[in-house]
Amino acid sequence: EVRLLESGGGLIQPGGSLRLSCAASGFTFSGYAMSWVRQAPGQGLEWVSTISVSGDNTYYADSVKGRFTISRDNSKSTLYVQMNSLRAEDTAVYYCAKNSRDCIGSSCQYYYYGLNVWGQGTTVTVSS
Amino acid sequence: DIQMTQSPSSVSASLGDRVTITCRASQGISRWLAWYQQKPGRAPDLLIYAASSLQSGVPSRFSGSGSGTQFTLTISSLQPEDFATYYCQQANSFPLTFGGGTKVEIK
Repeated sequence: EVRLLESGGGLIQPGGSLRLSCAASGFTFSGYAMSWVRQAPGQGLEWVSTISVSGDNTYYADSVKGRFTISRDNSKSTLYVQMNSLRAEDTAVYYCAKNSRDCIGSSCQYYYYGLNVWGQGTTVTVSS
Repeated sequence: DIQMTQSPSSVSASLGDRVTITCRASQGISRWLAWYQQKPGRAPDLLIYAASSLQSGVPSRFSGSGSGTQFTLTISSLQPEDFATYYCQQANSFPLTFGGGTKVEIK
């Protein structure tokens, strides 16, 4: 069974730091780009960040650029996001998600086909 | 950044109704659009990718169409389990962006 399990959420004061983890199982983690998406209370979905299969390429929403760092450890099948300088507006449920891909032979497209597996989410609350 | 505008923001419908949700992109995104369903307290589920391709395991009453800037998600005959919020997402370029969501409610 393909599964993503986030951890690391909690209550943190403004200006603080937190690292979220996402443990993947049931698929070849190193073969897929991975993403973080968040959802503030009662609000819609907001893409946060995406990382390439190797980790060499990373992409960020403007709202988190310079404060959040996405990374991955393919040997541990784990995705991370380091969140610094946290603000009240970062309060949300954070989901990790597996990017779908399409491969023709050894050539794959990693970003065009949506997010086809999601974790259950971990809640981050930034408040004093 | 590409803005995604969904309409309507909510729709009331009865079991068996045909429901259509529209998503408009602020610039052309070819066919790189995904649709998700989210139920309260749950993570989203991918329904449609590449505008019209049905994700494995998704019932055939769901369909997607469109290209460029205009896209639609259609539920051909609404079932009890379809009452949820639906989001579109452009996958053409970073930053990825979602529409504001459409809540499908029971009439």
